Amino acid sequence: AQSVTQPDARVTVSEGASLQLRCKYSYSATPYLFWYVQYPRQGLQLLLKYYSGDPVVQGVNSFEAEFSKSNSSFHLQKASVHWSDSAVYFCALSMISAGNKLTFGIGTRVLVRP
Amino acid sequence: DAGVTQTPRHEVAEKGQTIILKCEPVSGHNDLFWYRQTKIQGLELLSYFRSKSLMEDGGAFKDRFKAEMLNSSFSTLKIQPTEPKDSAVYLCASSSIPSGQLYFGEGSKLTVL
Repeated sequence: AQSVTQPDARVTVSEGASLQLRCKYSYSATPYLFWYVQYPRQGLQLLLKYYSGDPVVQGVNSFEAEFSKSNSSFHLQKASVHWSDSAVYFCALSMISAGNKLTFGIGTRVLVRP
Repeated sequence: DAGVTQTPRHEVAEKGQTIILKCEPVSGHNDLFWYRQTKIQGLELLSYFRSKSLMEDGGAFKDRFKAEMLNSSFSTLKIQPTEPKDSAVYLCASSSIPSGQLYFGEGSKLTVL
């Protein structure tokens, strides 16, 4: 069975600092991988996705993620965070055989201090 | 373009009541999902429809949870009877084939007393 692990429940960073959120997946083949963000009292919004090709993918708001097949990871990064990046971030995977159904990690809550 | 619309945004129910949550997917999307979101469990899949056909329903939720797609532009999630442990945010999402990207509604927050 497939699974997604986000080892950090909470991350606190100062405004202007860099941010890395970790994501590890378990799946026998190469999955489709996603990062979503959830702002307070809102639904989830797509930040970026990886299907194949270049392992570094660019997303909205200067986020990027790097896929590593050898490490079964898909870590999210941002060079310089803004207070508005405070939110919950979810890593997710889907399998070609399962349509568009997503399996989510538990999420990482990010707090950006001014 | 209109996104995914969920109603109501908030619902308070007494234990044992029946509640119905509603979802209108993005026009033209073929896939529709219901997820339950709690702090402890995160996002759990309740139901998955493709072109109105039920593809998957979360095994643990079968007994009191029933999702339906009445037509391609409207879905309901019925919880009957409700229990306090059902207190959560219920998210509806839709997707087109084969984009892979899910579009989420803002969710319906259910509180069961």
